[in-house]
Amino acid sequence: SQQGEEDPQALSIQEGENATMNCSYKTSINNLQWYRQNSGRGLVHLILIRSNEREKHSGRLRVTLDTSKKSSSLLITASRAADTASYFCATRETSGSRLTFGEGTQLTVNP
Amino acid sequence: KAGVTQTPRYLIKTRGQQVTLSCSPISGHRSVSWYQQTPGQGLQFLFEYFSETQRNKGNFPGRFSGRQFSNSRSEMNVSTLELGDSALYLCASTQDLGGYTFGSGTRLTVV
Repeated sequence: SQQGEEDPQALSIQEGENATMNCSYKTSINNLQWYRQNSGRGLVHLILIRSNEREKHSGRLRVTLDTSKKSSSLLITASRAADTASYFCATRETSGSRLTFGEGTQLTVNP
Repeated sequence: KAGVTQTPRYLIKTRGQQVTLSCSPISGHRSVSWYQQTPGQGLQFLFEYFSETQRNKGNFPGRFSGRQFSNSRSEMNVSTLELGDSALYLCASTQDLGGYTFGSGTRLTVV
């Protein structure tokens, strides 16, 4: 079963706009990770934020983590058509080594 | 360096048959995990192997099994295939508590 939920389920924006995706989870975590998937292929690791971190940046990506609310957000700035993909958050619990994925957000960036 | 390699990429099997999927992790990665992805259930954790030992197991029936060899390569086996086993099977490897590197997956279709 999925640990958390992501919203929105689908997001359609124009090139150059920012895209924000949210993720909620239920248990205590060691870290939270964001992945991208193109058309049913493998997942690509984007960024990892540890439970003691609140914000992290990588290029056009910005991730925030609020452990009190058990939620995270992924911001993609200045989006490009090539950013079109499904984005998943995944949590790694403190008590184990498995990743538990959210349901994903399908992002479409229109040129 | 080479990524995670999964073989075969596509597979069509008949109900009742069994199937073996293979995964070669990134060199030096000792942890290998397997996930099943379906439109209805999303990404679900199957199991994780570390140094030839199953370290974690998801909620799948005993028909799903796996193993890891001394060179960290892993195989998963599904016996007595059912139509519902049709899915994208993803393998991922990691070195530690960092991000996972996923393979491109094996698309299994059971007819």
